[in-house]
Amino acid sequence: DTGVSQNPRHKITKRGQNVTFRCDPISEHNRLYWYRQTLGQGPEFLTYFQNEAQLEKSRLLSDRFSAERPKGSFSTLEIQRTEQGDSAMYLCASSSSGDGFYGYTFGSGTRLTVV
Amino acid sequence: GIQVEQSPPDLILQEGANSTLRCNFSDSVNNLQWFHQNPWGQLINLFYIPSGTKQNGRLSATTVATERYSLLYISSSQTTDSGVYFCAVATNQAGTALIFGKGTTLSVSS
Repeated sequence: DTGVSQNPRHKITKRGQNVTFRCDPISEHNRLYWYRQTLGQGPEFLTYFQNEAQLEKSRLLSDRFSAERPKGSFSTLEIQRTEQGDSAMYLCASSSSGDGFYGYTFGSGTRLTVV
Repeated sequence: GIQVEQSPPDLILQEGANSTLRCNFSDSVNNLQWFHQNPWGQLINLFYIPSGTKQNGRLSATTVATERYSLLYISSSQTTDSGVYFCAVATNQAGTALIFGKGTTLSVSS
């Protein structure tokens, strides 16, 4: 297993465009999380999936943001009509619910720059 | 919501020195994790430690849940220990919606 994989690593987009990021979790992990991190801050929770069900969404996740996890495997995070304030590192993490250890494994992130 | 405070905000050490990082939280938690974010941005899980003490090599952590704090000890620090150390907590065991502190930035020089 190669850990949590995120693509692309970097994305530069013009304001108003739509962008989509992909996360491939560790295969045996049934929980998947999206976080956002801006410079100098800790990551902020965006949303959480258990298998294919989206069970929790932060108030930070405006209507322009949507996340999916079809078939409970990889996940996508889409941002519509991007704004400069969306510039950040978008982090994906996964964990397992079955072994009593609830620690996260994070991916390397996708850095979004909106110009 | 739950508040997480980490101290100190910045720490500068010579290689070989020991250090203690502290995390205070404002409510009972069922999930507490320590992470290291290296200079390239990768977040590495160091400990899942909602209570008790754990050790992994030169690192150890203790959480006193009743007093709402956790400590991360780094012994014989190395330059590769540099980066930001985050404490993150959640009130549910599954750890959904982890709340992160602002982190402690550690710089270790040779």
